[in-house]
Amino acid sequence: KAGVTQTPRYLIKTRGQQVTLSCSPISGHRSVSWYQQTPGQGLQFLFEYFSETQRNKGNFPGRFSGRQFSNSRSEMNVSTLELGDSALYLCASSPGLAIDTQYFGPGTRLTVL
Amino acid sequence: AQTVTQSQPEMSVQEAETVTLSCTYDTSESDYYLFWYKQPPSRQMILVIRQEAYKQQNATENRFSVNFQKAAKSFSLKISDSQLGDAAMYFCAYIQETSGSRLTFGEGTQLTVNP
Repeated sequence: KAGVTQTPRYLIKTRGQQVTLSCSPISGHRSVSWYQQTPGQGLQFLFEYFSETQRNKGNFPGRFSGRQFSNSRSEMNVSTLELGDSALYLCASSPGLAIDTQYFGPGTRLTVL
Repeated sequence: AQTVTQSQPEMSVQEAETVTLSCTYDTSESDYYLFWYKQPPSRQMILVIRQEAYKQQNATENRFSVNFQKAAKSFSLKISDSQLGDAAMYFCAYIQETSGSRLTFGEGTQLTVNP
């Protein structure tokens, strides 16, 4: 099976812009989770989608949003970008059970200037 | 809140030797899983090993094994016959049923393998 894919791999944006990141899970996986990784805060959970519904949400401002499509692909959107949003954004997929192994994509490196 | 602590920011090991990475966690739950992930310079997060809390037997995957001490809330990773390709950042992570698919990660341990 193909692994989790994320596009784009790199992005450079300026403050105030918005950005959309995409994640395609492993075939058959119905859950997609998003994480932010920064040197200062480490790995932090953003949100999780299962069957097109947000099932779980981390402690991030409303500027961070997401959605999931019927084919389980997910997108994450960040509006009104701030310098502090510069990070590696990781997407992970799992079959969908409450507790299960999550398999990660290669990440999208977002730089906000 | 659940926390995961990795007290060793950096570790080093000679090629072919054995190294142990430490992890402790804090939870009041009884149903949870623990993981070790590695993140090489490519930044791809790769699953190394998984341990279900209800299993008493320690998980093993080839050269990787864990020492799971449930009462002590300790979950260490042992890497045997270390290889240059093992050099990476290693993260201990925890997930529990009541928090859904939310992995809680430790701070990470940077492992260097010396030839």
